[in-house]
Amino acid sequence: GAVVSQHPSRVICKSGTSVKIECRSLDFQATTMFWYRQFPKQSLMLMATSNEGSKATYEQGVEKDKFLINHASLTLSTLTVTSAHPEDSSFYICSARARQGSSPLHFGNGTRLTVT
Amino acid sequence: GDSVTQMEGPVTLSEEAFLTINCTYTATGYPSLFWYVQYPGEGLQLLLKATKADDKGSNKGFEATYRKETTSFHLEKGSVQVSDSAVYFCALLFSGGSNYKLTFGKGTLLTVNP
Repeated sequence: GAVVSQHPSRVICKSGTSVKIECRSLDFQATTMFWYRQFPKQSLMLMATSNEGSKATYEQGVEKDKFLINHASLTLSTLTVTSAHPEDSSFYICSARARQGSSPLHFGNGTRLTVT
Repeated sequence: GDSVTQMEGPVTLSEEAFLTINCTYTATGYPSLFWYVQYPGEGLQLLLKATKADDKGSNKGFEATYRKETTSFHLEKGSVQVSDSAVYFCALLFSGGSNYKLTFGKGTLLTVNP
């Protein structure tokens, strides 16, 4: 089946530093990738949608300069949390959709970010 | 806007008990409906789906029926196992062209005790 690999699974960083999270589709070409944020005991909130080779579309309330998304190839999207602060601590999950038809979303295993 | 409401958890059951997790939705039009499962420390996995009214999705003993008249998609399983312990998310999807957006419920934590 389709596999989405997300890396790292856990990261701890100091306040003010930047962190990059990678999302790779391993066995299919992902035309579109999605980034979600999940707060404890809360649902997944869509942060942005990225299409290969174009700028990401951010959801209302998500800071574009804070959460930089790059979708440089059909198998890789990255989310960079810039100048991280403790309130950015969360579980970030990516998902990818294949090129053809009404293909479903495939989710990565998520990244637990802790900002100290 | 579109929204999904799930029953609040946590739900704690004994092994072999019957499970129901309620899910209702609000949407203009006719979305596709999904149940996703999230095991501890992992991402989401698609459990089952239904794309039109009266469709029944099923997988691994779980079932859910798309009820347009009650705008519901309740998840059921006749006999749960310890390995079913996870968080379950109901979700709806409208898609068309380049638009593909899943709206999730808040999730329901299920714990099954031996």
